[in-house]
Amino acid sequence: DTAVSQTPKYLVTQMGNDKSIKCEQNLGHDTMYWYKQDSKKFLKIMFSYNNKELIINETVPNRFSPKSPDKAHLNLHINSLELGDSAVYFCASSQAGTPGGSPLHFGNGTRLTVT
Amino acid sequence: GQQVMQIPQYQHVQEGEDFTTYCNSSTTLSNIQWYKQRPGGHPVFLIQLVKSGEVKKQKRLTFQFGEAKKNSSLHITATQTTDVGTYFCAGQATRGSTLGRLYFGRGTQLTVWP
Repeated sequence: DTAVSQTPKYLVTQMGNDKSIKCEQNLGHDTMYWYKQDSKKFLKIMFSYNNKELIINETVPNRFSPKSPDKAHLNLHINSLELGDSAVYFCASSQAGTPGGSPLHFGNGTRLTVT
Repeated sequence: GQQVMQIPQYQHVQEGEDFTTYCNSSTTLSNIQWYKQRPGGHPVFLIQLVKSGEVKKQKRLTFQFGEAKKNSSLHITATQTTDVGTYFCAGQATRGSTLGRLYFGRGTQLTVWP
């Protein structure tokens, strides 16, 4: 009954490669996010989609391209990986428009290591 | 731009001691949420505060939202080793916020020595 699931859990790759991370949520939420967490635990938002529409696009290199085929899925493709891309990437979802705000439900994370 | 500052960044306590982490926003918040991330885990939602001056308790955890809705705190009484982790606050701005966007503090990493 995993609410937000992302794959893979671990990803080890070499510089210059292209990789993808997939995320799916079964909570019926309409908004999904990608966050990057660095070694100091700082959570930085990268992208957010609401009903398949991109609504948040932070200052992220063009090598990162999100794609939302439907509101239950949000994938992240990364081209030409660099050492600095090594981090834990979290997918999250929430229900927009909830009075008082809606909490985020996070996936288990994908630990990306670029060598 | 919108910022949520959180202190301290690290806190080491002996088991049984109390612990507090503080968050401050440069602007008035619509609500503030707190999350806990265990080592190796993912952030998990703890609670949300919406009203000015609101205080909520969860067993040994006490959450407060300031009267001006610009600051918040999380206090843990008599810490236990199970409290180890990183605690994040996340505020939602009242103006100019993109749909559903939260502004996360940098987190407080709590270590509890047995």
